[in-house]
Amino acid sequence: AQSVTQLGSHVSVSEGALVLLRCNYSSSVPPYLFWYVQYPNQGLQLLLKYTTGATLVKGINGFEAEFKKSETSFHLTKPSAHMSDAAEYFCAVTFSSNTGKLIFGQGTTLQVKP
Amino acid sequence: DTGVSQDPRHKITKRGQNVTFRCDPISEHNRLYWYRQTLGQGPEFLTYFQNEAQLEKSRLLSDRFSAERPKGSFSTLEIQRTEQGDSAMYLCASSAPGEGNTEAFFGQGTRLTVV
Repeated sequence: AQSVTQLGSHVSVSEGALVLLRCNYSSSVPPYLFWYVQYPNQGLQLLLKYTTGATLVKGINGFEAEFKKSETSFHLTKPSAHMSDAAEYFCAVTFSSNTGKLIFGQGTTLQVKP
Repeated sequence: DTGVSQDPRHKITKRGQNVTFRCDPISEHNRLYWYRQTLGQGPEFLTYFQNEAQLEKSRLLSDRFSAERPKGSFSTLEIQRTEQGDSAMYLCASSAPGEGNTEAFFGQGTRLTVV
């Protein structure tokens, strides 16, 4: 079955430290991959996406992610965390560009300490 | 265009009552999705429309749930005889057609509390 796993439901970093949020997927077909961010009581905002082409994808707010097919991973990174990065982050995949239906991971809450 | 709009933002209802939520997608987006998100979990797919046609429904969508998109524009999601387990955030998203144009834009959601 196709699924998405986010390792670590909570990640805590100090302001200025590297952010690394992990995402792995299981699928026999190439996926389209996304990272979304959600602030409390808000909808989801797209950070970045991978569809085809370059496997290192840059997104908004200084985030980037690298698609590694051999590892079935799409980890999200940011070199230096800001307090404003504290939020819930969701990795998502779709295996059908015909429907665009998304399968989400469980989410990772990022805490940024001063 | 102000993005995907959902109404109401919050709804508190008594168990057994019916509720209806509305979603206005981004204009010219022919795809519309409903997702449900419970506390501490990622959103789960409920149903998908392409224009006015409902093309896919999750098994999560019990007989008490019905969704419509009558003219291929706005959509409604109705829950009949609500149960406490229906308490969740209901998210609507829309996307444009075409290969690779799979980015979904989300509304702010409707938070349902069943008491």
